[in-house]
Amino acid sequence: GEDVEQSLFLSVREGDSSVINCTYTDSSSTYLYWYKQEPGAGLQLLTYIFSNMDMKQDQRLTVLLNKKDKHLSLRIADTQTGDSAIYFCAESASKIIFGSGTRLSIRP
Amino acid sequence: ETGVTQSPTHLIKTRGQQVTLRCSSQSGHNTVSWYQQALGQGPQFIFQYYREEENGRGNFPPRFSGLQFPNYSSELNVNALELDDSALYLCASSDGTGGWNTEAFFGQGTRLTVV
Repeated sequence: GEDVEQSLFLSVREGDSSVINCTYTDSSSTYLYWYKQEPGAGLQLLTYIFSNMDMKQDQRLTVLLNKKDKHLSLRIADTQTGDSAIYFCAESASKIIFGSGTRLSIRP
Repeated sequence: ETGVTQSPTHLIKTRGQQVTLRCSSQSGHNTVSWYQQALGQGPQFIFQYYREEENGRGNFPPRFSGLQFPNYSSELNVNALELDDSALYLCASSDGTGGWNTEAFFGQGTRLTVV
């Protein structure tokens, strides 16, 4: 069946890079997404990658896709306090399937 | 601001009651999907509407139903509310062909509490 898994927590020092990992199961997924959710807010689409791409860079964000291993990662360079949030990985085929989210906390 | 608005923002209902949640999709978007996000969980797909027709459904019982109107706004109705229905309900709109386009814009959600 369809499933997306992520680690629950990540703590990084301000200014370092954050790497959030995700594995998914549906090999027919066409798009893979990263969403950000701040407390009390809805979901903000950060970036997405099409399934035939290996990498996508967008300012401080780098997405890497290993389709063979069904592994997706999000790297945030120069992590700032404003990056504190829950990050959801999601895959889409006929619908979007979300992981349970990774809570990113930033320490000074 | 995504252009997707949901109402109400918060709601408290009693077990057994019925509730209607509303979503105005972004201008030009013809597809609306509804998600349930329980505390500490990722959003779970409820169903999707494309041009006023249901176009896919997740593992939710029939007491979860919906509508999409000619202007592509949408309603989610839940009958016979249960305590476990307490969650954040998210609506997302996209301009697709019934599947998922690259950008699905989410509203801020409706926080439903069932007591």
